[in-house]
Amino acid sequence: AQSVTQLDSQVPVFEEAPVELRCNYSSSVSVYLFWYVQYPNQGLQLLLKYLSGSTLVKGINGFEAEFNKSQTSFHLRKPSVHISDTAEYFCAAYFGNEKLTFGTGTRLTIIP
Amino acid sequence: NAGVTQTPKFQVLKTGQSMTLQCAQDMNHNSMYWYRQDPGMGLRLIYYSASEGTTDKGEVPNGYNVSRLNKREFSLRLESAAPSQTSVYFCASRPKLRTNYNQPQHFGDGTRLSIL
Repeated sequence: AQSVTQLDSQVPVFEEAPVELRCNYSSSVSVYLFWYVQYPNQGLQLLLKYLSGSTLVKGINGFEAEFNKSQTSFHLRKPSVHISDTAEYFCAAYFGNEKLTFGTGTRLTIIP
Repeated sequence: NAGVTQTPKFQVLKTGQSMTLQCAQDMNHNSMYWYRQDPGMGLRLIYYSASEGTTDKGEVPNGYNVSRLNKREFSLRLESAAPSQTSVYFCASRPKLRTNYNQPQHFGDGTRLSIL
């Protein structure tokens, strides 16, 4: 079955430290991957997307992600986090149909 | 600002009451979606509409109905609300481009619904 897995439900990080949020997928068909961010009491905002082409994708707010087909991963990274990055982050994928499948989310907490 | 607009933003219902959540987008998108978000479960698809005049069930359709009123509007109805339907509901839309069908979805700010 096709699925998206975010193993870390919560990630605490000190301000200005680097962060990696992990996302793995399971699929036997072509996959199209996204990272969304949700700030408190708001909707989801697109951070970045991988549709095809270069496996290193740059997004907004200094985030980037790398598509790794052999490891079936699409991890999100930022070299130096700020307080304003405190939010919940969702990995999502299309598996060759209309429906977007979401992971369960990772809550990123920045420690001053 | 262009985007996806959901109304109301907050609602409290009693068990057994009915209500309709409204969603409208002004981006000329073909596809529209309704999700519910519960703690620790991510977003789960309730219903979607791939184009005007069509609707299909998602992962958790029981207890809900939808109407794609026109290209802009997609409503979600709870006929007899139950406490298990307490959740945050999100509407989303996306274009269908001839060059690439896998475009990201754009989300509204959500409706926070409590059922007592």
